[in-house]
Amino acid sequence: QKEVEQDPGPLSVPEGAIVSLNCTYSNSAFQYFMWYRQYSRKGPELLMYTYSSGNKEDGRFTAQVDKSSKYISLFIRDSQPSDSATYLCAMRANSGGYQKVTFGIGTKLQVIP
Amino acid sequence: EAGVTQFPSHSVIEKGQTVTLRCDPISGHDNLYWYRRVMGKEIKFLLHFVKESKQDESGMPNNRFLAERTGGTYSTLKVQPAELEDSGVYFCASSRRGVSDTQYFGPGTRLTVL
Repeated sequence: QKEVEQDPGPLSVPEGAIVSLNCTYSNSAFQYFMWYRQYSRKGPELLMYTYSSGNKEDGRFTAQVDKSSKYISLFIRDSQPSDSATYLCAMRANSGGYQKVTFGIGTKLQVIP
Repeated sequence: EAGVTQFPSHSVIEKGQTVTLRCDPISGHDNLYWYRRVMGKEIKFLLHFVKESKQDESGMPNNRFLAERTGGTYSTLKVQPAELEDSGVYFCASSRRGVSDTQYFGPGTRLTVL
């Protein structure tokens, strides 16, 4: 069983739609949760970063963490064509190799004008 | 502030040859990481340097891979001899000293072993 499960998509939505991206995980040691955005032929770029359960909002992006369900989400409001990219959930523990980041496979998102 | 840089951006070699990848972290970042993405799979951790010391090399696939970070600045990852299954994109990332500090990724080196 993978430590982090993420639907690879692709996910295609019209411009202006609300996008919901999700990951589940099995390792209860994960404490830090991140979303990275990766454009084609580029490196992952940090989008959102949360610690522990709860919501975090940054502009059109909202990250949610539910540690009791081992489930994290990223919502994108008013999606734009420039949001078309692969979105990777990522997480890491707080001790014992805590710096090592574990990634989901990434969901490819296409926002159609 | 310059980001993480990697060289080369793409390398094509034949099985059995040697390849060396280079990573220059963000200036002042003590932590440096190597990751790899094989086609169709997740990005996987390879190893972590704190300055010039290897903190965690649990992800290194085998002894054909050798990573160094002399002087605690740039790092190299050598694959010798390369095998077909080593093909993939190798990412380098760096972060500051703190536990919660986020990792900033370079653009990656795409390695193709024929």
